[in-house]
Formats: sequence, C-alpha cells, structure tokens
Amino acid sequence: DSGVTQTPKHLITATGQRVTLRCSPRSGDLSVYWYQQSLDQGLQFLIQYYNGEERAKGNILERFSAQQFPDLHSELNLSSLELGDSALYFCASSVGTEEETQYFGPGTRLLVL
Amino acid sequence: LAKTTQPISMDSYEGQEVNITCSHNNIATNDYITWYQQFPSQGPRFIIQGYKTKVTNEVASLFIPADRKSSTLSLPRVSLSDTAVYYCLVIQRRGRRALTFGSGTRLQVQP
Repeated sequence: DSGVTQTPKHLITATGQRVTLRCSPRSGDLSVYWYQQSLDQGLQFLIQYYNGEERAKGNILERFSAQQFPDLHSELNLSSLELGDSALYFCASSVGTEEETQYFGPGTRLLVL
Repeated sequence: LAKTTQPISMDSYEGQEVNITCSHNNIATNDYITWYQQFPSQGPRFIIQGYKTKVTNEVASLFIPADRKSSTLSLPRVSLSDTAVYYCLVIQRRGRRALTFGSGTRLQVQP
C-alpha cells in the first residue's frame, strides 16, 4: 500500500459525459501528479501540482482539467468524454517538487461507452 | 522533449542477472532517470533513481554512461516475483519541466 488513495476504482460512463476523479496524496506529500495509461499510448504524464499550484504540464487535453485543494487532495476533471479516453488514470504523490520518489495510487479505471 | 525507447520484452531464468536498457536522447546533465516496476492492475512502484554514473540500492543498480544517451537497470538474481513491466522515466528540469515514460519492458522470469 503506497498510502495514495484514488476514488472511484472503476467508472463507466457514456460519450459526451463529464467525470471527476479524486486523489488523496500520502500524508506529508505536497506534490500530486496525474497520469493516463492506455494500451496504445502507455503511461502519459498529464499534470503536476505542488502545494496548490500547477508545477508542470504534460499531454493533457483541453477537455481535461485538474486542481489541488488546500487540504492537498486533487481532482482530475474529464469532460466531453470520447471512447479514446477509456484508460487507467493514476495519481502519484511526492514530498516536494523536484525529483523525489513518486508513490502511485491504485488507479481509476475509466470506461467510456 | 526527450524520446525514450525500451525493448518490448525480455525473458530470463530465476537466479540470473537482468539488464534492461532505456535509450533517451536530448537529456541535460541534471535530468533524472527513474525506474518503476508495474504489476497488472496496480500502480507503478519506484525501484531506483539517479542522474549520473552508478546508483545502487537493496534491490537494483542503475548505470548511466557519460554520454547519458541511455541508462541500464540491473536486477541481480531475479526471482519469479520479478515478472512485471519495467518503465524508465526521464524528468527534464531545464526549461519547461517534462516527464516522459518509456514504453515499458515486459520481463518474464522462468523457473
């Protein structure tokens, strides 16, 4: 158990809908990262927040957005969902903003029908 | 943005040493390379991290040559439980911060 929690574990929705994925980092960690893992694209970095501020941005679509709240939990919002958004979404956390070890959560499996 | 390349798969036997290489072009001297292990339906798990020469911990070693165009994860004496997918991650710190995962190497350890 990494100490990172993600909810929900599974999510099934329809195209065009909007969903919110939630992540609670390990106690004491200030950075939260979001990743997408699909069969054809592998692990793709989406975005990093550090203590509430955006720190780095990867291949995150404009339809996706994220935020980190004062209690340090984070949410990833996916809107206007398409079939291709079906994937595993992982959250990871680390102590700081640089190159510390990232601890990954168990992931949320999203299926868009 | 760094491009990372890994072999798709490797086979080994219990007790052997396994070396998995990640090729990465265009990385700076202080860009970090991290390796993760992933089992099916689980999140990746940290193995080792470094940015130059050699790093060793209780489970693996990481070798980074002077030209930094590749890095090699070395797993000594693998066991069946090491069967997993192994990913390298390059964290670029110069300019726009970027995190790039390799495509993963599926290691199969046979008895």
